[in-house]
Amino acid sequence: EDQVTQSPEALRLQEGESSSLNCSYTVSGLRGLFWYRQDPGKGPEFLFTLYSAGEEKEKERLKATLTKKESFLHITAPKPEDSATYLCAVRWNAGNNRKLIWGLGTSLAVNP
Amino acid sequence: DTEVTQTPKHLVMGMTNKKSLKCEQHMGHRAMYWYKQKAKKPPELMFVYSYEKLSINESVPSRFSPECPNSSLLNLHLHALQPEDSALYLCASSQVENPYNEQFFGPGTRLTVL
Repeated sequence: EDQVTQSPEALRLQEGESSSLNCSYTVSGLRGLFWYRQDPGKGPEFLFTLYSAGEEKEKERLKATLTKKESFLHITAPKPEDSATYLCAVRWNAGNNRKLIWGLGTSLAVNP
Repeated sequence: DTEVTQTPKHLVMGMTNKKSLKCEQHMGHRAMYWYKQKAKKPPELMFVYSYEKLSINESVPSRFSPECPNSSLLNLHLHALQPEDSALYLCASSQVENPYNEQFFGPGTRLTVL
């Protein structure tokens, strides 16, 4: 069964303590892996798209990487404002199915 | 302008009411989406419009009725909803309905059905 799994479910860091979030997927025929940030009660904010293994993208303290089976979102020296839920979604194009498959997210809390 | 706007921000309605949610984007995107999101769950796709035509209906109950008046606007008409329909309703858009295109989300409408 095609699925996307994010770990850990929740993560608490001290300000400045770097860490990584994981998104593993089992879909075949990957057409894109998307990272979003979501604050409580708000819509997801687009962060990155990764298309092929070996690809990396960076934005401020965030860096996303992709392998054939998983993606990592590295957070370097996080600040309290990085606290949010980070969602991973995968798009594949098997037959007529054009949906995104979403992970359940990682809830990140950064303490000052 | 990379913004998707949604109105209203909050909506409380009874089970016999008729209301509408509105979404607007001015990025020239030709695909627009409605999602429903429950607490601590990822967004759940409801409808997709591609070039103003309904492309995907994820077996959504008929009490939800989407409408795409033009390429910038998307409505969701609500009628005879149930309390379990209370959720955050998200609108999103992408350049086209393409597996490679990222979707940009609006802030959502928090719907409460009494």
